[in-house]
Amino acid sequence: DQQVKQNSPSLSVQEGRISILNCDYTNSMFDYFLWYKKYPAEGPTFLISISSIKDKNEDGRFTVFLNKSAKHLSLHIVPSQPGDSAVYFCAASYNTDKLIFGTGTRLQVFP
Amino acid sequence: NAGVMQNPRHLVRRRGQEARLRCSPMKGHSHVYWYRQLPEEGLKFMVYLQKENIIDESGMPKERFSAEFPKEGPSILRIQQVVRGDSAAYFCASSPEGAGKQYFGPGTRLTVT
Repeated sequence: DQQVKQNSPSLSVQEGRISILNCDYTNSMFDYFLWYKKYPAEGPTFLISISSIKDKNEDGRFTVFLNKSAKHLSLHIVPSQPGDSAVYFCAASYNTDKLIFGTGTRLQVFP
Repeated sequence: NAGVMQNPRHLVRRRGQEARLRCSPMKGHSHVYWYRQLPEEGLKFMVYLQKENIIDESGMPKERFSAEFPKEGPSILRIQQVVRGDSAAYFCASSPEGAGKQYFGPGTRLTVT
């Protein structure tokens, strides 16, 4: 039972453009959502998070949007840079418990 | 301010041997989580511990796997009688009390030959 889904395994974006990564979830009890970035042979690095009481959170080039009625969240990266090339994981939790991860989206930013 | 430490980074075991993976959480963090990532998959939760207590082990296989977080020292994930299907990257994460954000270590890559 995949409670958190990232349906796009890969995304390719030109440098300077916007990258939009999507994530869907099925469990309406989730109250906290996070995005992590992961390079090969390294651990996930926290990027940005959002509580279920909000619908948007910004941090520099990164913005996360939450649509609770659609059970959907997205990560926007503007402008995209080559160093953003990595695998991005969406994760969700309930009551500060364990994280449930999606399967990841591989982002490639080309010059 | 050191991050989450894991060792060893790489571990090779023959089938039937034991694997011990260690995790030292960030300073001031009392919550430890273990996750496993199989090739081409996302991270899967295994176990959540606080000092001397297992809080949630719903993701742990019923046999051969155990975890502890003693009063002193690192958290240990122990896999007995390893099989080839145990080959994966094992990540430890820590968080301060009551926080949803978790900080991950670099992982231990276990290869079973």
